[in-house]
Amino acid sequence: DQQVKQNSPSLSVQEGRISILNCDYTNSMFDYFLWYKKYPAEGPTFLISISSIKDKNEDGRFTVFLNKSAKHLSLHIVPSQPGDSAVYFCAASLHGSGNTGKLIFGQGTTLQVKP
Amino acid sequence: GAGVSQSPSNKVTEKGKDVELRCDPISGHTALYWYRQSLGQGLEFLIYFQGNSAPDKSGLPSDRFSAERTGGSVSTLTIQRTQQEDSAVYLCASRPASGANVLTFGAGSRLTVL
Repeated sequence: DQQVKQNSPSLSVQEGRISILNCDYTNSMFDYFLWYKKYPAEGPTFLISISSIKDKNEDGRFTVFLNKSAKHLSLHIVPSQPGDSAVYFCAASLHGSGNTGKLIFGQGTTLQVKP
Repeated sequence: GAGVSQSPSNKVTEKGKDVELRCDPISGHTALYWYRQSLGQGLEFLIYFQGNSAPDKSGLPSDRFSAERTGGSVSTLTIQRTQQEDSAVYLCASRPASGANVLTFGAGSRLTVL
């Protein structure tokens, strides 16, 4: 039962253009969502997050959008840079006391930004 | 320490042998998680420790897998009688007791079972 899905295994964009990575989830109880970036031979690093009470969160070139009715979130990177080439994982969790805080991850999307 | 430290970074073993993977979380982080990433797959939750509470072992794939956390700090993941399907990168993560659910990951231990 894949509760968090990233249906695009890979994405290729030109430097300077926008990268849009998508993620769908099935559990409507999830209330906190995150994006992680992973380079080869390194652990995932936190990129940006969003609470379910919001529909948008922005941090520099990175913006995450949340559509609760569609159970869908997306990560926008603009402008894309070659250094953004990595595997991007979306993750969801149940926040608050009484929950373990464990993250449920999607399968990842490999982003390639071409110079 | 400054980050989550894992050892060994690489481990090659023969089928049937036992392996131990170690995780040293960020100092002061009370919550510790183990995940694994098999080739081409996402991160699969294995086990969670929080302070002195009973661990959440719901993600352990079989009884060959076990983990402990001594003194609320260092954790060891043990895989007994390893199988080829156990080959994966095993990732440890930690976070503080309160605040946002942002996990900080180590670089992982790559396990190859021949």
